[in-house]
Amino acid sequence: DVKVTQSSRYLVKRTGEKVFLECVQDMDHENMFWYRQDPGLGLRLIYFSYDVKMKEKGDIPEGYSVSREKKERFSLILESASTNQTSMYLCASWDRDGYNEQFFGPGTRLTVL
Amino acid sequence: ELKVEQNPLFLSMQEGKNYTIYCNYSTTSDRLYWYRQDPGKSLESLFVLLSNGAVKQEGRLMASLDTKARLSTLHITAAVHDLSATYFCAAISGNEKLTFGTGTRLTIIP
Repeated sequence: DVKVTQSSRYLVKRTGEKVFLECVQDMDHENMFWYRQDPGLGLRLIYFSYDVKMKEKGDIPEGYSVSREKKERFSLILESASTNQTSMYLCASWDRDGYNEQFFGPGTRLTVL
Repeated sequence: ELKVEQNPLFLSMQEGKNYTIYCNYSTTSDRLYWYRQDPGKSLESLFVLLSNGAVKQEGRLMASLDTKARLSTLHITAAVHDLSATYFCAAISGNEKLTFGTGTRLTIIP
């Protein structure tokens, strides 16, 4: 069964903390993505990666960074969390050569106090 | 820049009725995706539409794509309560990014 897993379902952090969100996929996909989802705004792309050590900015990269040291793992980093980063974060992966859907992880609901 | 618009944003319908959700996108896109999201859950893929005129059906849901009109529709036939969810469409731009619509929250009333 296809799997994208995320390290935490719920996370509560304080303003200014460094936050790591981890995503792991077991499908050997090249492309991985980080989105945030907010009510009324749909899903917005933060960063994506199409290969190990490669990354591309999405639509809202400010305040975030990413790391992809291994093909199966894509990490989202909030260097100094702020309250406006309270959101649902969704990781996804995709087979670049296929025409199938993106597979999504279960999501991490992050609250920054 | 690719933009994707869905309408309606909210849809409340009675069981047994038919309705359609519309998805317009602003620039050329080769593929169109439909996803379902239940409250508090992640996104589940429903359909991938790969070419102009493509039509796919699963149960009471049918999706179609008109690339010339830059329009996809998700048609619900004889709605049942289990179909209550938020539905998203997404189109792809040249650099392999998906752009999502804001979603349609569908509520089926008994």
